Amino acid sequence: KAGVTQTPRYLIKTRGQQVTLSCSPISGHRSVSWYQQTPGQGLQFLFEYFSETQRNKGNFPGRFSGRQFSNSRSEMNVSTLELGDSALYLCASSSAGGRLETQYFGPGTRLLVL
Amino acid sequence: AQSVTQLGSHVSVSEGALVLLRCNYSSSVPPYLFWYVQYPNQGLQLLLKYTTGATLVKGINGFEAEFKKSETSFHLTKPSAHMSDAAEYFCAVSEKGGATNKLIFGTGTLLAVQP
Repeated sequence: KAGVTQTPRYLIKTRGQQVTLSCSPISGHRSVSWYQQTPGQGLQFLFEYFSETQRNKGNFPGRFSGRQFSNSRSEMNVSTLELGDSALYLCASSSAGGRLETQYFGPGTRLLVL
Repeated sequence: AQSVTQLGSHVSVSEGALVLLRCNYSSSVPPYLFWYVQYPNQGLQLLLKYTTGATLVKGINGFEAEFKKSETSFHLTKPSAHMSDAAEYFCAVSEKGGATNKLIFGTGTLLAVQP
């Protein structure tokens, strides 16, 4: 099976712009979660989607949003970019979600905001 | 609230030496614990996980971890380090409640392996 894929892998934007990141989960997986990784804050949970519904959300401002499509692919959007949004954004998928399940991570999208 | 503490942001060992990476957790419910590894410019790869049952968990690449409830610990070990083990390691706990699979991560331990 192909793993979790994320596009693009690298992105450079300027302050005030918006950005959309894409995640394709492992085939058959219905749960997709997003994490932000920065040197200062570490790995932080953004949100989780399951069957096109947001099931959980982390403590991020409303500028961060996401959605999931019927084929389980997910996108996250960040509007009005700030310098502090520079980070590695990781997507993870699992079969049905739930505490016991293993999450499989993609390689991430590295976003640089200038 | 659940949390994870990793002692030592940087650990250096010699090739062939024992690897010990420390993780302590805080949880008001039976914890589900994970160790992930991250190689440079890559995502996270699961090494092992503890849910229920046997407290000594064996993972990939020769790693293992022991769940000790009395010490609220889940330390990661490997008897003999290899150069390819150089990476960052993250301990995580699965958030309690509902169907969520949110992971709460520790701050990570960067492992260096000296020849």
